[in-house]
Amino acid sequence: SQTIHQWPATLVQPVGSPLSLECTVEGTSNPNLYWYRQAAGRGLQLLFYSVGIGQISSEVPQNLSASRPQDRQFILSSKKLLLSDSGFYLCAWSVRYGGQLLREQYFGPGTRLTVT
Amino acid sequence: GQQVMQIPQYQHVQEGEDFTTYCNSSTTLSNIQWYKQRPGGHPVFLIQLVKSGEVKKQKRLTFQFGEAKKNSSLHITATQTTDVGTYFCATITQGGSEKLVFGKGTKLTVNP
Repeated sequence: SQTIHQWPATLVQPVGSPLSLECTVEGTSNPNLYWYRQAAGRGLQLLFYSVGIGQISSEVPQNLSASRPQDRQFILSSKKLLLSDSGFYLCAWSVRYGGQLLREQYFGPGTRLTVT
Repeated sequence: GQQVMQIPQYQHVQEGEDFTTYCNSSTTLSNIQWYKQRPGGHPVFLIQLVKSGEVKKQKRLTFQFGEAKKNSSLHITATQTTDVGTYFCATITQGGSEKLVFGKGTKLTVNP
C-alpha cells in the first residue's frame, strides 16, 4: 500500500531563517506530487506541483521554491522566511493523469510552520 | 481559470440534524471530488463524481452531480459528532492539467 511521509510535524522558525520541508512517498512509482499551504481556518492554496524528477510547476510567485531530486521525494524550501509564510504545509500525491480522469489526491500529515 | 464556489462557509448543527454543502461553477465541470478534513488533520478523499446527474451514497453521506455538471452537493443525514470537519470540493482545472482546484470549504460543527 502507498504511504506518504512529511517531516517535521511542527516547526517554529524566526523571520529570515531558511526552510526545508521534505515529503516522501512509498509504494508507488512516477506519482504526481504537490505542495499546498493552508492558512488557519482557510482553504488549500496550491504552491507547486511536479509530474516528474526535476519538473516543477510554480503556482504562486513567492519566496518559496520546490525541488524533486528523486521520483518519490519532494522538497519545499525557502532562503529567508517571512511572517506570512506561517501555515499548514501539506504534501500530496496522485496517480499521473496519463489520459485517464484525474485521480484523487492523497495527503500527508502536514507540517505546521510558525514564523516568529 | 476554473473556480468552484462553496457554500455555506460555516454550518453549525445539532446532532441528528441534516447538513448540506454546495459546490457551484459557472462552467461545465469534467468531474468533482469531495474531501473531508478533520480538525487538526489533513484532507482525506471521499468520492469522485463524473457523470451528469450522478448520485452516490456512502452510509449517511449522499453526493450529487448536477445534470448540467455545473454544481454538486454533499448531504449528510442525521449528523453525528464524528462528522465535524471541513468539507472541500475540488475539480480538475481547465485544459486537463494535472492539478486540482479546491473550493474554500464548508466547516461543519456539530453540537452534541
